[in-house]
Amino acid sequence: GAVVSQHPSWVICKSGTSVKIECRSLDFQATTMFWYRQFPKQSLMLMATSNEGSKATYEQGVEKDKFLINHASLTLSTLTVTSAHPEDSSFYICSLTGGRHTDTQYFGPGTRLTVL
Amino acid sequence: AQSVTQLGSHVSVSEGALVLLRCNYSSSVPPYLFWYVQYPNQGLQLLLKYTTGATLVKGINGFEAEFKKSETSFHLTKPSAHMSDAAEYFCAVNDQAGTALIFGKGTTLSVSS
Repeated sequence: GAVVSQHPSWVICKSGTSVKIECRSLDFQATTMFWYRQFPKQSLMLMATSNEGSKATYEQGVEKDKFLINHASLTLSTLTVTSAHPEDSSFYICSLTGGRHTDTQYFGPGTRLTVL
Repeated sequence: AQSVTQLGSHVSVSEGALVLLRCNYSSSVPPYLFWYVQYPNQGLQLLLKYTTGATLVKGINGFEAEFKKSETSFHLTKPSAHMSDAAEYFCAVNDQAGTALIFGKGTTLSVSS
C-alpha cells in the first residue's frame, strides 16, 4: 500500500476564521488528489479533484472560493476552509492516486473540523 | 452514471460466524470495484479491489469478494468474524484508474461475543 498523512488530525476554530488542512503522500508521487467530506454516520462525498500543477475541479454545490485547494507538488495538497462557519464542521479526508498506484486510491487518516 | 448500493445499513453477527456484506453496482463500462473499512475517527483502509482478471479477490484480514458481472454484484465475505472486524465498510466504484470513487452509503458491522 501507500502511506498518506493529514495534518492536523483535529482542529477547533472560531466562526469566521480560516483553517488549512494538509495532505501528504509519504512514499509515492501522487498525480491526482481528491478531497472528500463525511458527515456523522454518512458516506463520503467528493468535494474536488486536483491534479498537480492544475486548478482543482469542484463538484456541483461545492463553493470553490470557500474551499481553496492547492496541489502544490506531487506529494502535497492543501485544503483551506475560508471564513469557516458551524455548518462546515465535518470530517475531511483526502485520497491520493498516481505513480505505481494508478488503479487505487489511498486515504489519509482524516481531519475533524469543529467550528464554534 | 455509476452508482453503488449497499444492502443493509447495519449487519450484526456473532464472533466466529460468517460475514456477508452486500454491494451492487451500476456502471456502463467495466468497473473497478473496491471495499474499504473505516474505524471510528479514522480514514479509510483498502481491504481489496477488483480491476481485471480473476473475479474472486482476496484481501487483508481474511476478507474476500467476488465480482459477478451478471448480477452486478461485489459482495464482501469473511468465513469467521472477529471482534476486531467491527467497523464501517464502504463499497466503491470507478470506471477508470485515477478517477474519483463513487461510494455506497456504508454498512456498519457489529460483532458480538
